[in-house]
Amino acid sequence: DAKTTQPTSMDCAEGRAANLPCNHSTISGNEYVYWYRQIHSQGPQYIIHGLKNNETNEMASLIITEDRKSSTLILPHATLRDTAVYYCIVLLMNTGFQKLVFGTGTRLLVSP
Amino acid sequence: GAVVSQHPSWVICKSGTSVKIECRSLDFQATTMFWYRQFPKQSLMLMATSNEGSKATYEQGVEKDKFLINHASLTLSTLTVTSAHPEDSSFYICSARGPFKLAGWTDTQYFGPGTRLTVL
Repeated sequence: DAKTTQPTSMDCAEGRAANLPCNHSTISGNEYVYWYRQIHSQGPQYIIHGLKNNETNEMASLIITEDRKSSTLILPHATLRDTAVYYCIVLLMNTGFQKLVFGTGTRLLVSP
Repeated sequence: GAVVSQHPSWVICKSGTSVKIECRSLDFQATTMFWYRQFPKQSLMLMATSNEGSKATYEQGVEKDKFLINHASLTLSTLTVTSAHPEDSSFYICSARGPFKLAGWTDTQYFGPGTRLTVL
């Protein structure tokens, strides 16, 4: 079972920041938070991941709370092409093969 | 870097026939590849884990004799749906565990674009 909880859907205006929350209250100390997204009829796309510190790359920023029980994915300037289902996944590292367990994700709709 | 391709992107077949789907890591070697299935309006479900040169590990409820997986090289894994039936119609997606250095020394998986199978 997925160990994360995400809102079913969110809306965002084009050009504005999209903040997607994720609760992972049972996360353990050596589990990473991963974010993937899936645009309609395509395979999932890796976005970003983090352990404790906030992370930023060319796609997004990941803010992880100090207690690590929740995180927020930030798309700073959403475009229409960011419309997708966003999955937040916790993953235990350094134990051999890793199994991604996809929950239902958040369906983000970016509108003009 | 870390590009994964699938072929074909879509396939239509008659009930009872077998269909082979290829998954390739184009610019890196992948010792581990994964096969997922996704039904309409549902999330991805892991079917099996494929390690190069060894037998695949199937998830509970997935018939290994029906979904044959071969991972003969570090850049190619194949999924064969044998004796396909309409209920096997789905979106099949593979992923490959990325190269450690490129993925920041973590086990990030990179996904292919998917193959839509329709069984008539």
